[in-house]
Amino acid sequence: RKEVEQDPGPFNVPEGATVAFNCTYSNSASQSFFWYRQDCRKEPKLLMSVYSSGNEDGRFTAQLNRASQYISLLIRDSKLSDSATYLCVVVSGNTGKLIFGQGTTLQVKP
Amino acid sequence: EAQVTQNPRYLITVTGKKLTVTCSQNMNHEYMSWYRQDPGLGLRQIYYSMNVEVTDKGDVPEGYKVSRKEKRNFPLILESPSPNQTSLYFCASSKGQPRDTGELFFGEGSRLTVL
Repeated sequence: RKEVEQDPGPFNVPEGATVAFNCTYSNSASQSFFWYRQDCRKEPKLLMSVYSSGNEDGRFTAQLNRASQYISLLIRDSKLSDSATYLCVVVSGNTGKLIFGQGTTLQVKP
Repeated sequence: EAQVTQNPRYLITVTGKKLTVTCSQNMNHEYMSWYRQDPGLGLRQIYYSMNVEVTDKGDVPEGYKVSRKEKRNFPLILESPSPNQTSLYFCASSKGQPRDTGELFFGEGSRLTVL
């Protein structure tokens, strides 16, 4: 079983829609969680951290569910510019290394 | 402008021909790392360096070498490339350990094809 798993998608949504992605992790000792965004043929960039209490940044909300071992990313009022691949990142509880999920691709259509 | 610069951005080579992918950062970051990205597998760490003259293996180090003689540079060396090393490679850097902030600054990537 992979340490971090994401549904690769693609998720195809119309502009203005609300979309949510989940990411599950297998190591219950994992302490820190993040979402990265990667545009097509570009490098990944940090989107936001995921705190135990949740984290909101404009139209983006990240949440952590430790009991079920998953994190989520909610995007409200989707824009065309939100089209990208969203990478879930978990800091390994054993090694402290960043473990990347394979990413979930979002396509926002006009 | 703060950045991580990789070269070359694109390279097609043949099996066994040694090559080096350079990586340089201008942010005075202590931590640097190399990743490869393959479809369905996500980003996998090849090697990382906590500081000058300190390097460690990541998850997929076989077939690669690195060096960290200066703080700003972290070249990736493929002594004898093979087709299974065809991939998209990213160099990344971080101020201190990335597990603390989660923020890695990535270069634009180097697409390598080994025939």
